[in-house]
Amino acid sequence: DAGVTQSPTHLIKTRGQQVTLRCSPKSGHDTVSWYQQALGQGPQFIFQYYEEEERQRGNFPDRFSGHQFPNYSSELNVNALLLGDSALYLCASSFEQNNSPLHFGNGTRLTVT
Amino acid sequence: TQLLEQSPQFLSIQEGENLTVYCNSSSVFSSLQWYRQEPGEGPVLLVTVVTGGEVKKLKRLTFQFGDARKDSSLHITAAQPGDTGLYLCAVRPIYNQGGKLIFGQGTELSVKP
Repeated sequence: DAGVTQSPTHLIKTRGQQVTLRCSPKSGHDTVSWYQQALGQGPQFIFQYYEEEERQRGNFPDRFSGHQFPNYSSELNVNALLLGDSALYLCASSFEQNNSPLHFGNGTRLTVT
Repeated sequence: TQLLEQSPQFLSIQEGENLTVYCNSSSVFSSLQWYRQEPGEGPVLLVTVVTGGEVKKLKRLTFQFGDARKDSSLHITAAQPGDTGLYLCAVRPIYNQGGKLIFGQGTELSVKP
């Protein structure tokens, strides 16, 4: 039973570029959440997708957008990259029901130069 | 201002020592979770505490939820190098309808053989 998988594992981009990160949820999970984890910090909630719609959003600018596909997989897009966007981006999947435990992937390490 | 304050931020100890890390807040929560994150991996859920004063044990790890449900502690007995990692506490906002978790900044634990 595959857990949450994310791709790519590492990525280097230049300031101003755009990036797309991908996530496949754990089998049977229908909800995907994205988190940003800066070095030495705890993860910060970006947004959550359920039934192909953004259901909840954290305090991130519109440069951060996402998408969920009918097979529950998800993408995170970041436009006009800034140096401060360098971080580990974590995807977590769960069941839609409240308080369902989150299962995290191993993340995508994004470096913006 | 952090909703959850974790202390200490860094801890380096020798194998066999005991340690306690703390997660504090001025807010009351319905539940609190502890995660461990190893380098290059996503956070993994260790435990969820729900009832004020609750104590849960996971092998050499003992978790306690404060009586007022504002704080929690994690005690490790006879630490081993395999306990090395980032320990994160996390809570869900009361109004939360899904996967949004608020994390503390973490305690970075290093156990030397």
